[in-house]
Amino acid sequence: QTVVTQEPSFSVSPGGTVTLTCGLTSGSVSTSYYPSWYQQTPGQAPRTLIYSTNTRSSGVPDRFSGSILGNKAALTITGAQADDESDYYCMLYMGSGNWVFGGGTKLTVL
Amino acid sequence: EAQLVESGGGLVKPGGSLRLSCAASGFTFSSYTMNWVRQAPGKGLEWVSSISSTSNYIYYADSVKGRFTISRDNAKNSLYLQMNSLRAEDTAVYYCARVRYDLKYMDVWGKGTTVTVSS
Repeated sequence: QTVVTQEPSFSVSPGGTVTLTCGLTSGSVSTSYYPSWYQQTPGQAPRTLIYSTNTRSSGVPDRFSGSILGNKAALTITGAQADDESDYYCMLYMGSGNWVFGGGTKLTVL
Repeated sequence: EAQLVESGGGLVKPGGSLRLSCAASGFTFSSYTMNWVRQAPGKGLEWVSSISSTSNYIYYADSVKGRFTISRDNAKNSLYLQMNSLRAEDTAVYYCARVRYDLKYMDVWGKGTTVTVSS
């Protein structure tokens, strides 16, 4: 069974740049998986950040960007702010009406 | 503004049943595929089930297949999740989410309803 992998945790300094990745235990992530990214703070519903690899959802600041880096999908935050401290989840479309989330990355801004 | 509001969560004993509802407003509900996603305490997000706009296509995660049934009533702008044979590992916050199926992502989320399975 293919698993979607993410870094469990990451830290970034305020104003810094961080890249979170989303991979597969078997194979490479490509645009065919329609990678999307979601931000979640404790006790809140997920918020959609990025879809179709690199398209920002409405209202999402342009410091958030998505891409394919090598064999993984990537979420880059440029100029990190304190309120970017959240959990970040990638999601891949696996076909046949099935989606799979990664385990999530807990981002600390300090 | 598109809005989703879940209800029906609660405490249920192992082996019991529960029916979740999701009320949609602010958009043409009958035009969208809808998903259920859950999150166990302290854990990540897990896709649970999907139903197409006309209910022609229905899919489940392996973890709930045979126990959960997704359905919708487009006349009532409502999505449902019938959960039977509940287990402790089904304890989670359950979110309904609107799907942009052409782009394969979830663009609108409800705030969730909590299901606790415990004796």
